[in-house]
Amino acid sequence: NAGVTQTPKFRVLKTGQSMTLLCAQDMNHEYMYWYRQDPGMGLRLIHYSVGEGTTAKGEVPDGYNVSRLKKQNFLLGLESAAPSQTSVYFCASSGSGAPYQPQHFGDGTRLSIL
Amino acid sequence: AQSVAQPEDQVNVAEGNPLTVKCTYSVSGNPYLFWYVQYPNRGLQFLLKYITGDNLVKGSYGFEAEFNKSQTSFHLKKPSALVSDSALYFCAVRDRGSGGSYIPTFGRGTSLIVHP
Repeated sequence: NAGVTQTPKFRVLKTGQSMTLLCAQDMNHEYMYWYRQDPGMGLRLIHYSVGEGTTAKGEVPDGYNVSRLKKQNFLLGLESAAPSQTSVYFCASSGSGAPYQPQHFGDGTRLSIL
Repeated sequence: AQSVAQPEDQVNVAEGNPLTVKCTYSVSGNPYLFWYVQYPNRGLQFLLKYITGDNLVKGSYGFEAEFNKSQTSFHLKKPSALVSDSALYFCAVRDRGSGGSYIPTFGRGTSLIVHP
């Protein structure tokens, strides 16, 4: 099993450009999450989804949009990239069977905004 | 509301010595608690969790954690550290009383450095 796969792994953007980060999971999980990780800040939740066709805002949603058109995919979009969005982005998924199921993480997308 | 604190940004230990990485939490009800490990340029990997029952939880790679309700703590431990244990460790909590929310709160992480 591949688990959680994120593409691309690295990307450099110019301020104002847009892009989409793709997350795919093959575990039939209901819940999917997007986090950003910055030094000294830990993980901060951007958006999450509790099922196909549903999304919700997390702790730091501004400047990002998401879509969950298919259960296995969760897309994160940056409409107009800003240097403050330079970060490492992680996608995670978890089953909905019980709230004590752990999350499964991808290996991240390293994004630099110039 | 739920929150978790990892009071140490970095823990240094010599190989072969026991290690402890601290975590304290705050929830309105009872907690589900998790530890994850992150190696360089990788995503977080699940180590262990506390749901209910025995306060000492055993997990992957020889790690264990002790749940202490009175001190609201869930410290990660290992009897004998290895250099390969050097990584970033995250504690996370979910409040059972959060109305079915499956959204955990993560600590800021503790960097464990094991010296040869």
